Amino acid sequence: KAGVTQTPRYLIKTRGQQVTLSCSPISGHRSVSWYQQTPGQGLQFLFEYFSETQRNKGNFPGRFSGRQFSNSRSEMNVSTLELGDSALYLCASSLDSVSGANVLTFGAGSRLTVL
Amino acid sequence: EDKVVQSPLSLVVHEGDTVTLNCSYEVTNFRSLLWYKQEKKAPTFLFMLTSSGIEKKSGRLSSILDKKELSSILNITATQTGDSAIYLCAVVRGSNYKLTFGKGTLLTVNP
Repeated sequence: KAGVTQTPRYLIKTRGQQVTLSCSPISGHRSVSWYQQTPGQGLQFLFEYFSETQRNKGNFPGRFSGRQFSNSRSEMNVSTLELGDSALYLCASSLDSVSGANVLTFGAGSRLTVL
Repeated sequence: EDKVVQSPLSLVVHEGDTVTLNCSYEVTNFRSLLWYKQEKKAPTFLFMLTSSGIEKKSGRLSSILDKKELSSILNITATQTGDSAIYLCAVVRGSNYKLTFGKGTLLTVNP
């Protein structure tokens, strides 16, 4: 059974550019969540999608956006990149948070460096 | 706003030692608490604790939930170098199933 797949694994951008990260959840998992991880702040919740709808949202500016497709694959986009956006972006999927199956399975992450 | 505080933030021990990691929380409508281990990149699931399952054990690792004190501990006995990792605690809010993570405890086990 394939795990959560994130692409790309590493990328380098410059300030002002935008970036799109992709996440393919475990087959059958309908909930996809995104987290930003930095050494100082730990894991910070960005948003969660379920059945193509954003169900929860963290406290990030509007430059951070996401979407989920009908096959549960998800993308997140960061526009007008800032140096502080350099981080490890983790995607996690779960069966269905409504049922209480909240055990997230994480992908290996996308390491973004903004120069 | 939900809050999860882990302590200590970092810890260095020798192989064979026993360690206790702490997690305290403030969350509206608590549903469950989860522990994860993060070695390189992806955090991997260790335990989930709920009102109906306040104690879990797997090999040298064990965890207890204290709903009265709004906290949990993760114990690791006879530590090994392979236990070196960041240990993350997260709580789930029952109303919207949103997870909030603590900043983690960095455990270093020296040979």
